[in-house]
Amino acid sequence: QKEVEQNSGPLSVPEGAIASLNCTYSDRVSQSFFWYRQYSGKSPELIMSIYSNGDKEDGRFTAQLNKASQYVSLLIRDSQPSDSATYLCAVKDNYGQNFVFGPGTRLSVLP
Amino acid sequence: IAGITQAPTSQILAAGRRMTLRCTQDMRHNAMYWYRQDLGLGLRLIHYSNTAGTTGKGEVPDGYSVSRANTDDFPLTLASAVPSQTSVYFCASSDGREQFFGPGTRLTVL
Repeated sequence: QKEVEQNSGPLSVPEGAIASLNCTYSDRVSQSFFWYRQYSGKSPELIMSIYSNGDKEDGRFTAQLNKASQYVSLLIRDSQPSDSATYLCAVKDNYGQNFVFGPGTRLSVLP
Repeated sequence: IAGITQAPTSQILAAGRRMTLRCTQDMRHNAMYWYRQDLGLGLRLIHYSNTAGTTGKGEVPDGYSVSRANTDDFPLTLASAVPSQTSVYFCASSDGREQFFGPGTRLTVL
């Protein structure tokens, strides 16, 4: 059974701070890793994909992947109240087409 | 370009009725998926299709059926709705690397 774990939160950070969201996964063959943002009442929106060990930066977002530790994280720099949402971690292996999602971490950025 | 569309946006349904949720994508993705999302349970895969003409069961397939007659459409049918099928339903598609979601259908079964 493939599992993806996240702290459910809520994670509260002040505006302008760095928000750090963490995710661990159980299946060592996982090769692709994703972060989705989901606002209340909306659908998940893909914000980051990462496939190789190390860091990947996109604007204020940085995804970090460590396959040896089976760990992927998302850093949000200069957090804004508009970043308040639930963040879902997802993983995929190269053998199938299915994605496994974590339960999500609720982030609250306080003005 | 619309991406993925779902219909209806929301629906209230009497228990025992048949209901089909529609999903259409215009990205020519081979793989499509149906998820339900319930508070505290996260996203759960109902059925999937890796390519037109094929379907597979996900984590929670009971009470649901799907078909994939062509690349673009992937309808989800509840043959006889029950209150436990009250949920938000998301359709998604994938190009083999990334997965994208439709806007969702909020279904209430009374």
